Amino acid sequence: GAGVSQSPRYKVAKRGQDVALRCDPISGHVSLFWYQQALGQGPEFLTYFQNEAQLDKSGLPSDRFFAERPEGSVSTLKIQRTQQEDSAVYLCASSLSGQGYTDTQYFGPGTRLTVL
Amino acid sequence: AQSVTQLDSHVSVSEGTPVLLRCNYSSSYSPSLFWYVQHPNKGLQLLLKYTSAATLVKGINGFEAEFKKSETSFHLTKPSAHMSDAAEYFCVARAFGGGADGLTFGKGTHLIIQP
Repeated sequence: GAGVSQSPRYKVAKRGQDVALRCDPISGHVSLFWYQQALGQGPEFLTYFQNEAQLDKSGLPSDRFFAERPEGSVSTLKIQRTQQEDSAVYLCASSLSGQGYTDTQYFGPGTRLTVL
Repeated sequence: AQSVTQLDSHVSVSEGTPVLLRCNYSSSYSPSLFWYVQHPNKGLQLLLKYTSAATLVKGINGFEAEFKKSETSFHLTKPSAHMSDAAEYFCVARAFGGGADGLTFGKGTHLIIQP
């Protein structure tokens, strides 16, 4: 079946613009995660949803970052008033259950955001 | 809280020789440990995971890793490297009951395969 998909794959924004990044998880997956991967670094956790509930947003770097998953499926990560330090690859992952710390997370290809 | 340290940022081996990618973790709680691989312009793919069952874990493409609690290590090995193994490898932890719900990634090890 289809894996996790993300769109757009590439996004160029001028500093100060708002952007919206979309994630389509694997159908039926309860949990959804967003990560930020800066150049040459490992991904860093941003936020976590279980169905439509945002259970953890401890990794969001500022209040300019906002994520939602209103119907428990597709998720959108929104960044307001983008700054150059927001330039990174944004990764989405989903996993089957809502409770398993051993669950495998399946990753999408990412959206590469460049802020000029 | 947990942390993951990958001891080498780059590892270079010749095709057909063994691969060793080193990882140490720190966690106040019983962790689940994973190795993911990232090929250029492709998504992260799970190689293997440790979930407190057998300490020697076998994964895809001939990779395996051994969980050593006394050494807080989870090194990744492969007996014979193939050119297609060239990629970025991430050691990853997730602790039960340990706080943030996401995965904690190491900084990655870039594996280079010499012909």
